Amino acid sequence: GNSVTQMEGPVTLSEEAFLTINCTYTATGYPSLFWYVQYPGEGLQLLLKATKADDKGSNKGFEATYRKETTSFHLEKGSVQVSDSAVYFCALDDYKLSFGAGTTVTVRA
Amino acid sequence: EAQVTQNPRYLITVTGKKLTVTCSQNMNHEYMSWYRQDPGLGLRQIYYSMNVEVTDKGDVPEGYKVSRKEKRNFPLILESPSPNQTSLYFCASSSEREETQYFGPGTRLLVL
Repeated sequence: GNSVTQMEGPVTLSEEAFLTINCTYTATGYPSLFWYVQYPGEGLQLLLKATKADDKGSNKGFEATYRKETTSFHLEKGSVQVSDSAVYFCALDDYKLSFGAGTTVTVRA
Repeated sequence: EAQVTQNPRYLITVTGKKLTVTCSQNMNHEYMSWYRQDPGLGLRQIYYSMNVEVTDKGDVPEGYKVSRKEKRNFPLILESPSPNQTSLYFCASSSEREETQYFGPGTRLLVL
């Protein structure tokens, strides 16, 4: 079946540091891939998505590229801020939405 | 404002006492679903609904019921809650199954 594996946290960074969260997936078809973000005390919200191979999703300075050859969708941001502290979920949609376990990111001033 | 609302936001109950968590969306979405979030497991789908009167099981449906009598509402029912249902629950909706899902703020449930 389909599954998503993302790097375990927690991740703690200083402001302006580079952030990478690894995500790999297993799917039988050609899924759409997503990153959702959950800020403290809130529900999940879509951060970015990519619907086919080599697509790059981007939003709020975050980027992720759909890599079919490595079945990956790593999330990156070049310079994080304190306001980026949240839990990040990688997800795939192949007739059903499947989430990774989530990665907690804390950015310190 | 487009939103998904859930009530209650926090609930402490005892084993076996029936409870209902409500979910409502004002975006005229056809697709709605319930998830539970547990540490280290991410979100797992409990039930989903493609439209009014159309519901189906997700990955972890045991111990839960749902109904979809109106398009905007999708309540989650725990007929006889048990401690292993202690979790954070999210309702979500989207215009179609494959479109971006909008999540509610979550309901934190503790079953003693």
